[in-house]
Amino acid sequence: EIVMTQSPATLSVSPGERATLSCRASQSVGSNLAWYQQKPGQAPRLLIYDASTRATGIPARFSGSGSGTEFTLTISSLQSEDFAVYYCQQYNNWPPVLTFGGGTKVEIK
Amino acid sequence: QVQLQESGPGLVKPSGTLSLTCAVSSGSISNTNWWSWVRQPPGKGLEWIGEIYHSGSTNYNPSLKSRVTISVDKSKNQFSLKLSSVTAADTAVYYCARKMYSSGWKGFDYWGQGTLVTVSS
Repeated sequence: EIVMTQSPATLSVSPGERATLSCRASQSVGSNLAWYQQKPGQAPRLLIYDASTRATGIPARFSGSGSGTEFTLTISSLQSEDFAVYYCQQYNNWPPVLTFGGGTKVEIK
Repeated sequence: QVQLQESGPGLVKPSGTLSLTCAVSSGSISNTNWWSWVRQPPGKGLEWIGEIYHSGSTNYNPSLKSRVTISVDKSKNQFSLKLSSVTAADTAVYYCARKMYSSGWKGFDYWGQGTLVTVSS
């Protein structure tokens, strides 16, 4: 099983500042990585797939980068609605054993 | 746009079987997508349970495979989850989700609202 590790667990950021979230895979997943945002009481929302492609309707302030085992989600200028928990997920293997990272909570500083 | 809605008992007794159904609307379950179940224990992260294609092909998380069955009913445009021999550790919000297809299968682009299932006597 590919283990996904996210850091930091909690990120305190002021509105308008940049947030950088990290995700590491225990083995290479190529570019087969997605990022999700989850707010309390809501289902996750797909932000990024293929490591860097924004999903439909996702604002340009969200960007993803990386390949192999190291990935980054960057929120260029945090808006109030961006404070949430973010998860990475790999979908590299076949047959699939899809795995998520433990999450990074982005909170208001 | 596609909508998914989970339904099923919110309380299951230990050693019993958890059964949930996900109804798909505004889209066909027979499209080029895999349909998944994902769960989230209270205050914790996300765990993929398994998925099904409209043909009936399935893939399961090895950690749950011995207890999980996912099935599809194309006539009703829905798919279902059964998890047997449940314990308190299976208490979670259960989501159904669609794995998107875009030159290959990617992340989960549509999710149900989730349903809390508590395992307790």
